[in-house]
Amino acid sequence: DTEVTQTPKHLVMGMTNKKSLKCEQHMGHRAMYWYKQKAKKPPELMFVYSYEKLSINESVPSRFSPECPNSSLLNLHLHALQPEDSALYLCASSQGQGSGTEAFFGQGTRLTVV
Amino acid sequence: EDQVTQSPEALRLQEGESSSLNCSYTVSGLRGLFWYRQDPGKGPEFLFTLYSAGEEKEKERLKATLTKKESFLHITAPKPEDSATYLCAVQERGSQGNLIFGKGTKLSVKP
Repeated sequence: DTEVTQTPKHLVMGMTNKKSLKCEQHMGHRAMYWYKQKAKKPPELMFVYSYEKLSINESVPSRFSPECPNSSLLNLHLHALQPEDSALYLCASSQGQGSGTEAFFGQGTRLTVV
Repeated sequence: EDQVTQSPEALRLQEGESSSLNCSYTVSGLRGLFWYRQDPGKGPEFLFTLYSAGEEKEKERLKATLTKKESFLHITAPKPEDSATYLCAVQERGSQGNLIFGKGTKLSVKP
């Protein structure tokens, strides 16, 4: 099973709302990632968690707050977003550091900020 | 300067017309090169990992090859269902496993 599950699939939120994106994997992977993808662009890295610790934050604005409650779960908390934050948010997981292992992606959450 | 460059940006083929997609990279130390397929509005679907020059991987109508500076994705006798955006990504040695993506090649296969 190489499945990464993301919920919700679609989300519409106002600029004053607080919402969360969720990601789950049961492959025993120890690295999890958040990527942001705008239309007709490649995915861009936001955050990396390795062994449940935040190891990379690509200068993402504080209105995006990641959380890794355990090795299978990854959340992205959203607050006071801007319309330009509308995008496809992708979660991925991989075995972790030490080897060039492939990352498996979820189907994404399509976020629209109004 | 982009570290991963894919060409062409878009490719239109007739069903059965074989072709190749190119991915060139300039990272200093390559841990792995990855090919993904992405359908509109969906997450990238893993296709291949290549680790060293000379390596080749095959899956159905797709074959990926790797040299020291580039990778090719060869598509033999494509079908309309092969239409998608193909993304190339590299992982640098010493990284946290994160991927650096090229901009992709949008492939359209007409019946």
